[in-house]
Amino acid sequence: NAGVTQTPKFRILKIGQSMTLQCTQDMNHNYMYWYRQDPGMGLKLIYYSVGAGITDKGEVPNGYNVSRSTTEDFPLRLELAAPSQTSVYFCASSKDRNYGYTFGSGTRLTVV
Amino acid sequence: AQSVTQPDIHITVSEGASLELRCNYSYGATPYLFWYVQSPGQGLQLLLKYFSGDTLVQGIKGFEAEFKRSQSSFNLRKPSVHWSDAAEYFCAVGLPFSGGGADGLTFGKGTHLIIQP
Repeated sequence: NAGVTQTPKFRILKIGQSMTLQCTQDMNHNYMYWYRQDPGMGLKLIYYSVGAGITDKGEVPNGYNVSRSTTEDFPLRLELAAPSQTSVYFCASSKDRNYGYTFGSGTRLTVV
Repeated sequence: AQSVTQPDIHITVSEGASLELRCNYSYGATPYLFWYVQSPGQGLQLLLKYFSGDTLVQGIKGFEAEFKRSQSSFNLRKPSVHWSDAAEYFCAVGLPFSGGGADGLTFGKGTHLIIQP
């Protein structure tokens, strides 16, 4: 049982480049989330989805986009990468909105 | 909007000693409450959660937490820590209903637990 799978695990981007962080879950969870984690700041919600075709902004959505075409996949798109987007990104899923999340192992992104 | 405060950035405990990590929340009603643990280089793992009912909640790895409504607290405890408990611990709150803002859990900034031999 894979749970939540994130790829890549590490990535270095140059300023202005774009990339997509992949997230896939095999638990048939409706709810999926993207968080970013910065040292000493906890986790901040970027975007979330309550089901296929439905997405909404979290606390820090600027500079990011998401899509949810299937229940399994919830990719996060970074357009025009900036140094402020250097962070560790976590994808999570849950059976219900307050059920408790299953997290992926994260993507460490550095923008230089 | 709800908020979560973890007053201790770092805590050092001797192996075998008891542990208490503090968590306070700010919200007009009783939210759903969670504790997560993050080992270095890993994602977060759910330790325990409180929705309603018994205010003392048992979790995995020998952890427990007590919800105190009067203090708006949800402190995490363990009677005897092991070296493998060294990690980052996050308290989180969730709203009991949707609407009125972004969904998703709100996390505290974390407490880094160091275990002394």
